[in-house]
Amino acid sequence: AQTVTQSQPEMSVQEAETVTLSCTYDTSESDYYLFWYKQPPSRQMILVIRQEAYKQQNATENRFSVNFQKAAKSFSLKISDSQLGDAAMYFCAYRSAGDMRFGAGTRLTVKP
Amino acid sequence: DAGVIQSPRHEVTEMGQEVTLRCKPISGHDYLFWYRQTMMRGLELLIYFNNNVPIDDSGMPEDRFSAKMPNASFSTLKIQPSEPRDSAVYFCASSFRGGQGSKQPQHFGDGTRLSIL
Repeated sequence: AQTVTQSQPEMSVQEAETVTLSCTYDTSESDYYLFWYKQPPSRQMILVIRQEAYKQQNATENRFSVNFQKAAKSFSLKISDSQLGDAAMYFCAYRSAGDMRFGAGTRLTVKP
Repeated sequence: DAGVIQSPRHEVTEMGQEVTLRCKPISGHDYLFWYRQTMMRGLELLIYFNNNVPIDDSGMPEDRFSAKMPNASFSTLKIQPSEPRDSAVYFCASSFRGGQGSKQPQHFGDGTRLSIL
């Protein structure tokens, strides 16, 4: 079974600085996707970024980028120039066949 | 474009009552997922459908839980009888198969906050 592990229950960052959230996963599949979702206090689940396992190039979406290490089964999220609106729970997710598996989440606090 | 629509947004009911949560997926999406989120257990996949057919219901906690998808635009999650430990936020999500197979992101509804007294 695929598992997703987020080892940091909480992280904090100063506004305008950079923070990295960690995620590891376990799978025997070779073809899969990885995602980061953001859940602000409004509890909406918002897709932040996604990475195809067959692509070596790390995905980037504006201030958000990932460091995808396929051999290590690691998928970290880097948030640059952190903003107050980035404060939320962040979930790492894995999808191969139909369903999706989520990590336990990391709560990010942004300090002004 | 309309996103995934869930109703009700909040539900408060007494233990023992039947609870029905509703979901309308995004038009054209052929996968539908039900999740439960609690502080203790995080985000748990309860069941998911493909083309209205239940594919994996191993996450459904007990026989008190049931889910149906009578057509491509509607699904229900029912709890009967409800218990206080069922209190949680229930999310519905949908996705489509796409050219890369079943690896598209899921689009979530706003969730139903369920409180069982």
